[in-house]
Amino acid sequence: SAVISQKPSRDICQRGTSLTIQCQVDSQVTMMFWYRQQPGQSLTLIATANQGSEATYESGFVIDKFPISRPNLTFSTLTVSNMSPEDSSIYLCSVGGVPVGTDTQYFGPGTRLTVL
Amino acid sequence: GNSVTQMEGPVTLSEEAFLTINCTYTATGYPSLFWYVQYPGEGLQLLLKATKADDKGSNKGFEATYRKETTSFHLEKGSVQVSDSAVYFCALLRNTGFQKLVFGTGTRLLVSP
Repeated sequence: SAVISQKPSRDICQRGTSLTIQCQVDSQVTMMFWYRQQPGQSLTLIATANQGSEATYESGFVIDKFPISRPNLTFSTLTVSNMSPEDSSIYLCSVGGVPVGTDTQYFGPGTRLTVL
Repeated sequence: GNSVTQMEGPVTLSEEAFLTINCTYTATGYPSLFWYVQYPGEGLQLLLKATKADDKGSNKGFEATYRKETTSFHLEKGSVQVSDSAVYFCALLRNTGFQKLVFGTGTRLLVSP
């Protein structure tokens, strides 16, 4: 498996501001993903973070609201822009293909975001 | 399309009781199937997986068998503990093309002493 860390672990933000969440993996991975878990709900995929190119977004999520960077094979960031209370959620990054050739995804501990 | 259906919770059990959490799926082809667990205040942890029909995944006393004929992957444990109280998510992953995990809605398990 992979060891995945996220920063910050939680934050409380004012509406209209932006927050950048970092995801760090202890080994190089091919695939990194960002998910959102709204209160009491299941997980929804936001986007796939592609190394060296633009992220691939799922239906209902756009780059202007959730810009993603992936500068290398061990790190990615997700920014939640112009936040509103509806953005209050847990944001989780995950990695896939660990070990190489397998299809299992492992998740980070999540970032708990509250927007006032 | 691909989807996962889980039994609604919460499931409330006494310690040492037998646990079953039902999960059925709809998918094209032959997906891989997973159970993840989320303990209070934490992220998701992989509990077990199965990649083909009749495979049995097991971990920490939990088991699930990939049943293609019934498109099911029910989670079972013979004797639950208070520490098993968590939310359990069933998920599938297509084995071709883009690797997108599709999750069920989650089932909360509450185990009392």
